[in-house]
Amino acid sequence: KNQVEQSPQSLIILEGKNCTLQCNYTVSPFSNLRWYKQDTGRGPVSLTIMTFSENTKSNGRYTATLDADTKQSSLHITASQLSDSASYICVVSDRGSTLGRLYFGRGTQLTVWP
Amino acid sequence: EADIYQTPRYLVIGTGKKITLECSQTMGHDKMYWYQQDPGMELHLIHYSYGVNSTEKGDLSSESTVSRIRTEHFPLTLESARPSHTSQYLCASSEQQQGPFSYNEQFFGPGTRLTVL
Repeated sequence: KNQVEQSPQSLIILEGKNCTLQCNYTVSPFSNLRWYKQDTGRGPVSLTIMTFSENTKSNGRYTATLDADTKQSSLHITASQLSDSASYICVVSDRGSTLGRLYFGRGTQLTVWP
Repeated sequence: EADIYQTPRYLVIGTGKKITLECSQTMGHDKMYWYQQDPGMELHLIHYSYGVNSTEKGDLSSESTVSRIRTEHFPLTLESARPSHTSQYLCASSEQQQGPFSYNEQFFGPGTRLTVL
């Protein structure tokens, strides 16, 4: 069964600190992995997208890593800001269908305190 | 500006009412999707469309129906709303996949928060 598991479920950090979110997946055949940021009451917004040949990708203070062999990914946030408070969702796409089906994790709820 | 829109953003209605959630995109995307998301849970695909006059059911069974008469418009209808339909509904769109390794990035609307009393 294709699954995406994220940890931790929730995380509280102080403003200015760094943090790392984890994602493990079993989706096969693998196409790409993306991290989305979802603010409360809003739709998800893409942060990074990586194919199996990409090990790391950055978007400002966000850096995602991918190990396609162990089927693990991480999202590192540097120098956190209050506006980083949101749910971060790991999403994996398969290449086994023309739809390019997406498999969603439940997200890590990040809260940044001043 | 190319974007994806959903209306209404919030809706509170009584049981048995018929409702339509609107979704429009100005990006010219052929593929469109409806997802359902409960608090703290993952998004579940309930409907999708490859293009005009194409609609398919997703992974999660839903009593809602959709239509795709125009490329830019993908409304979702509930004929008789029930409290079990209370959820957040997210619409998304993407270009046609350009091969098995294409990004197929989906762009999401802001969502409609539906509450059925």
